Amino acid sequence: GESVGLHLPTLSVQEGDNSIINCAYSNSASDYFIWYKQESGKGPQFIIDIRSNMDKRQGQRVTVLLNKTVKHLSLQIAATQPGDSAVYFCAENVEYGNKLVFGAGTILRVKS
Amino acid sequence: KAGVTQTPRYLIKTRGQQVTLSCSPISGHRSVSWYQQTPGQGLQFLFEYFSETQRNKGNFPGRFSGRQFSNSRSEMNVSTLELGDSALYLCASSQGEDYGYTFGSGTRLTVV
Repeated sequence: GESVGLHLPTLSVQEGDNSIINCAYSNSASDYFIWYKQESGKGPQFIIDIRSNMDKRQGQRVTVLLNKTVKHLSLQIAATQPGDSAVYFCAENVEYGNKLVFGAGTILRVKS
Repeated sequence: KAGVTQTPRYLIKTRGQQVTLSCSPISGHRSVSWYQQTPGQGLQFLFEYFSETQRNKGNFPGRFSGRQFSNSRSEMNVSTLELGDSALYLCASSQGEDYGYTFGSGTRLTVV
């Protein structure tokens, strides 16, 4: 398949610290990228998106950085809170017709 | 406004049976996509519908099919179920390309 999720990397951070989650995407022609958060028993929840004509976009406590040269995305979460604990996925829109290809995901654990 | 609604939430089927899952998109969203999520393969694209037409299809066997109705509601069907079809099936709706995709909570299918 296009997305492998057998062993998810885990990021453990202390409450109040900043978190950085990284993602490498596969298709240099992708022009739209999204970060999702998924909590246990729920569907993915939209966090922030970015188009390929930008290299940075900020939301509330979150920032997404896009480096097209090395096909890399990152999600920065400021002042991480226990409620941020979840699995985080990056996704790229690769083709006409709303086809998202997801990364494997990263588990974020916030320690109080 | 109401989010993406998927029914049923949980389903247990026997090998060889068929199943139909339903998705009601956010009002005004004409694009509906389906994804399969498993621990081993992560999130994988099944297909996408826009205005009752399938625009894109992932790498799944022909046992997986779908359709979209004139009110944008969508169904997906899996025939001749196999144990490996056990997964969380997620539906996402969107206003169109390059807009955010909103996911439902999914249907947890268990094949025994």
